[in-house]
Amino acid sequence: DTAVSQTPKYLVTQMGNDKSIKCEQNLGHDTMYWYKQDSKKFLKIMFSYNNKELIINETVPNRFSPKSPDKAHLNLHINSLELGDSAVYFCASSQGLTPSSGNTIYFGEGSWLTVV
Amino acid sequence: AQSVAQPEDQVNVAEGNPLTVKCTYSVSGNPYLFWYVQYPNRGLQFLLKYITGDNLVKGSYGFEAEFNKSQTSFHLKKPSALVSDSALYFCAVRDPWDSSASKIIFGSGTRLSIRP
Repeated sequence: DTAVSQTPKYLVTQMGNDKSIKCEQNLGHDTMYWYKQDSKKFLKIMFSYNNKELIINETVPNRFSPKSPDKAHLNLHINSLELGDSAVYFCASSQGLTPSSGNTIYFGEGSWLTVV
Repeated sequence: AQSVAQPEDQVNVAEGNPLTVKCTYSVSGNPYLFWYVQYPNRGLQFLLKYITGDNLVKGSYGFEAEFNKSQTSFHLKKPSALVSDSALYFCAVRDPWDSSASKIIFGSGTRLSIRP
């Protein structure tokens, strides 16, 4: 009955490889996110999708490409991985975009990516 | 533009004592404010939020936070700390009238350490 689930939890890969992280939420939310947490635990938004439409795209290299096949899924594909991509990537979801919705964000357990 | 600050990287408290984790914010209008907790190797868990109404908000695990508009603060408090409260705490803010309506900004995190 996990609310936001992401796989894999741990990923170790070599520089230059391409990898994907999958995310699914069963909360019925219409908005999903990818956040990156660096080694200093700083949390920064990367992307946000509402009903499969990209609404936030922060300054992220275009080696990172999110894909939302439906509003319950938001996958993250990373091409040509670099050492600096090593981080924890969190998927998250929330309901609604209107000011009154409150927008509580619910997070997955994270995917620990290590690029060697 | 909205921003949030957590001025303390680390807070150390003896078990049984009251604890406070500080948070200040900056938004152009009335903010939505959130507290999340992150345990080691886990995702962020929602603790509480302020949207409107009573300035004192009660949340999970006995935590509460007080919205203070004049001081632009939203400090997290607990009357009696437990060792199990030791974790990383994030304050977050959203300006509900911001055009990027789903964007929530997180503080840099405060590590709370409760000694037995």
